[in-house]
Amino acid sequence: KQEVTQIPAALSVPEGENLVLNCSFTDSAIYNLQWFRQDPGKGLTSLLLIQSSQREQTSGRLNASLDKSSGRSTLYIAASQPGDSATYLCAVRPRKGSGSRLTFGEGTQLTVNP
Amino acid sequence: DVKVTQSSRYLVKRTGEKVFLECVQDMDHENMFWYRQDPGLGLRLIYFSYDVKMKEKGDIPEGYSVSREKKERFSLILESASTNQTSMYLCASSSAGVAYEQYFGPGTRLTVT
Repeated sequence: KQEVTQIPAALSVPEGENLVLNCSFTDSAIYNLQWFRQDPGKGLTSLLLIQSSQREQTSGRLNASLDKSSGRSTLYIAASQPGDSATYLCAVRPRKGSGSRLTFGEGTQLTVNP
Repeated sequence: DVKVTQSSRYLVKRTGEKVFLECVQDMDHENMFWYRQDPGLGLRLIYFSYDVKMKEKGDIPEGYSVSREKKERFSLILESASTNQTSMYLCASSSAGVAYEQYFGPGTRLTVT
């Protein structure tokens, strides 16, 4: 059974710092991996989608990498801002079982201090 | 712009009531999903639908049913609400196939008393 782990569970950094969030998964047989952002009490906002054939994706100050063979993905946030404070979740789409469903990690709660 | 809406942001119901949660997407997506999110348990899939009138059980379907009569609308039904169904409910949609992103609605915070 696919399991997704995100470490650390919480992270607090000063404004302006570059930071890396980690995501690991137990089964490398995936179609793709998606990173989301969730603000308190709100739904999930899709940030980046990396297909299994890709190594990285970039959007503005965000860069996500994927190393499928080692079961790892990282989300790099450059020049962090207080508005980046949120919970960040990663999710994989496993090849085994129904192809449309996602398996989620529990998230990293990020606080960027002014 | 991608849009998934849910009928209520907050809902309070009594034990034993029948509860309907509605989700509508305007992107002509084939797939629609219902999740619940609980502290320490993360997001868990309740049901999903890959076409009108088609549905498939997720990881925790017990106590829930779903209805998809039109492509844009996916309803989650709690037949007889219980206190352990107090949770945040999130709806999502995506295009058919495995290469596409899932887009989420704003969530419904349901409290069953």
